[in-house]
Amino acid sequence: QKEVEQDPGPLSVPEGAIVSLNCTYSNSAFQYFMWYRQYSRKGPELLMYTYSSGNKEDGRFTAQVDKSSKYISLFIRDSQPSDSATYLCASPGGGFKTIFGAGTRLFVKA
Amino acid sequence: DVKVTQSSRYLVKRTGEKVFLECVQDMDHENMFWYRQDPGLGLRLIYFSYDVKMKEKGDIPEGYSVSREKKERFSLILESASTNQTSMYLCASSPTQEPSYEQYFGPGTRLTVT
Repeated sequence: QKEVEQDPGPLSVPEGAIVSLNCTYSNSAFQYFMWYRQYSRKGPELLMYTYSSGNKEDGRFTAQVDKSSKYISLFIRDSQPSDSATYLCASPGGGFKTIFGAGTRLFVKA
Repeated sequence: DVKVTQSSRYLVKRTGEKVFLECVQDMDHENMFWYRQDPGLGLRLIYFSYDVKMKEKGDIPEGYSVSREKKERFSLILESASTNQTSMYLCASSPTQEPSYEQYFGPGTRLTVT
């Protein structure tokens, strides 16, 4: 079992829709969770991170962690075509390593 | 502006060739990483380095080696390229302070081995 699992999609939504991207993790010791966004032909970049349980909001993006069910979510409100990218969830894996999910491809249609 | 650069965006090599992929960061980060990214498999760590001349194996080091002679430069070497090493290679760096939330990635090198 992978430590961080993510549905690869693709997920296709119309512009303006609310998008929900999800991950599950297996290691209950994970304390920090991150979402990276990767545009086509680019490297991933950190979108936002959150610590432990609860929500964190940044503009149209909300990251949510449910430690009881080991579930991580990223919500995108009022989705835009510019949000079309691959979204990777991640968690520090000990030392200086990071465990990444496989990524979910999102397409937002104008 | 934070910057990680990789020597090539696209590379085509023949089976058996020795391949060098270079990565340079300008953020004075201690940690540097090499990943490969394949569809459905996500990012897999090949090697990482937490200091000059220091290196540790990641999850898939077989067929690869690395070199870090200077803090800002981390090289990935494919000793004898094989077709199953065709992939996107991503370099990243991060600062040392725990927990190191953020890794900064380069644009990637798409390597094709024929």
